[in-house]
Amino acid sequence: DAKTTQPNSMESNEEEPVHLPCNHSTISGTDYIHWYRQLPSQGPEYVIHGLTSNVNNRMASLAIAEDRKSSTLILHRATLRDAAVYYCILRDGNDMRFGAGTRLTVKP
Amino acid sequence: DGGITQSPKYLFRKEGQNVTLSCEQNLNHDAMYWYRQDPGQGLRLIYYSQIVNDFQKGDIAEGYSVSREKKESFPLTVTSAQKNPTAFYLCASSIGDSTGLDEQYFGPGTRLTVT
Repeated sequence: DAKTTQPNSMESNEEEPVHLPCNHSTISGTDYIHWYRQLPSQGPEYVIHGLTSNVNNRMASLAIAEDRKSSTLILHRATLRDAAVYYCILRDGNDMRFGAGTRLTVKP
Repeated sequence: DGGITQSPKYLFRKEGQNVTLSCEQNLNHDAMYWYRQDPGQGLRLIYYSQIVNDFQKGDIAEGYSVSREKKESFPLTVTSAQKNPTAFYLCASSIGDSTGLDEQYFGPGTRLTVT
């Protein structure tokens, strides 16, 4: 199964952009890249997903490398409520395999 | 309000007892999932169900059992055969489209402690 690699933790200042990287060098052609985040003591929530092209929604942007071996989740202006663990997941069907994710700390 | 409910939020049991965790959704979703999360780790899939009266094992099904008699309910039983049952258990649901790429909606979780 294709795996993802993310930094264990990152810090950001409030109201600054945050770029969360994810490496997935063994991604297959049919794998979609999904991002979820998990606030403390809560269930994960969907953030964004994409296949090849960059994607934007109200929560974030997803930049996907041309070779698809890496991607970056972009939070345009971090707020204290964005402090969470962010998971980058490759999906091909119902199976969603979570890694340990990146713990984002947002400093006021 | 539409959503997923899990009860109770905290559950304590003695070793050797079976325990059933509740998961209910009113989103009219076909697919439902159970995950387990240990401290500092990601989620691992226990079981999933794409339709009523059908379910499949995930990566760590040993020591667990499920049923899917109703579309809105997917209870998980943690049996005494599960060697390390203490964990945070999360239920999720999704529309269940044929691509399997649909967004999963998660409940608030049940924290099970077995002593």
